[in-house]
Amino acid sequence: DGGITQSPKYLFRKEGQNVTLSCEQNLNHDAMYWYRQDPGQGLRLIYYSQIVNDFQKGDIAEGYSVSREKKESFPLTVTSAQKNPTAFYLCASKKARGPDTEAFFGQGTRLTVV
Amino acid sequence: GQNIDQPTEMTATEGAIVQINCTYQTSGFNGLFWYQQHAGEAPTFLSYNVLDGLEEKGRFSSFLSRSKGYSYLLLKELQMKDSASYLCAFGGAGGATNKLIFGTGTLLAVQP
Repeated sequence: DGGITQSPKYLFRKEGQNVTLSCEQNLNHDAMYWYRQDPGQGLRLIYYSQIVNDFQKGDIAEGYSVSREKKESFPLTVTSAQKNPTAFYLCASKKARGPDTEAFFGQGTRLTVV
Repeated sequence: GQNIDQPTEMTATEGAIVQINCTYQTSGFNGLFWYQQHAGEAPTFLSYNVLDGLEEKGRFSSFLSRSKGYSYLLLKELQMKDSASYLCAFGGAGGATNKLIFGTGTLLAVQP
């Protein structure tokens, strides 16, 4: 079955550590996204990528980094420069164009700084 | 700039109809999406409007007016399981075809 998978589901990080969140999709989608969601809030765009080897900053990119070496994969690294990283992180993907243009989401990674 | 607004919370009664509004401002537009999100879960797709007018899907309908930068989601015959957050989002924000920006969401509470 096609889908988008995030791992791990829960992640604990010590202050000062970098951590990488995985996002893999087998939907053959060109565009991929990372969002952050804080309690009771909407989704804020961190980074997005429209094609392999290319990505753009969203509204809250500071303290985060991404790569898009393969179409299927779009990992997010939360660096020590991100001062308040505890949040729910959602990855999404969609076709770049065409009638079926909705974004599909992974199940999310809940990151907690301890 | 880009902006998207929704009411923060709404309350409705089981069996009733509720309309959730969304207004937006953007220099580039490639469609308006509605998603449903239950607490602690990922958003799930409800509807997509790229042309003006009403799209109906069972109990859910979505309307778009591009000239007014306005959309609404209409939920009929409300059920308790409809209690969730409803997010509107627009694509093509700022002229970037695939940039997808979400509003803060409207938390709907359905009461017996």
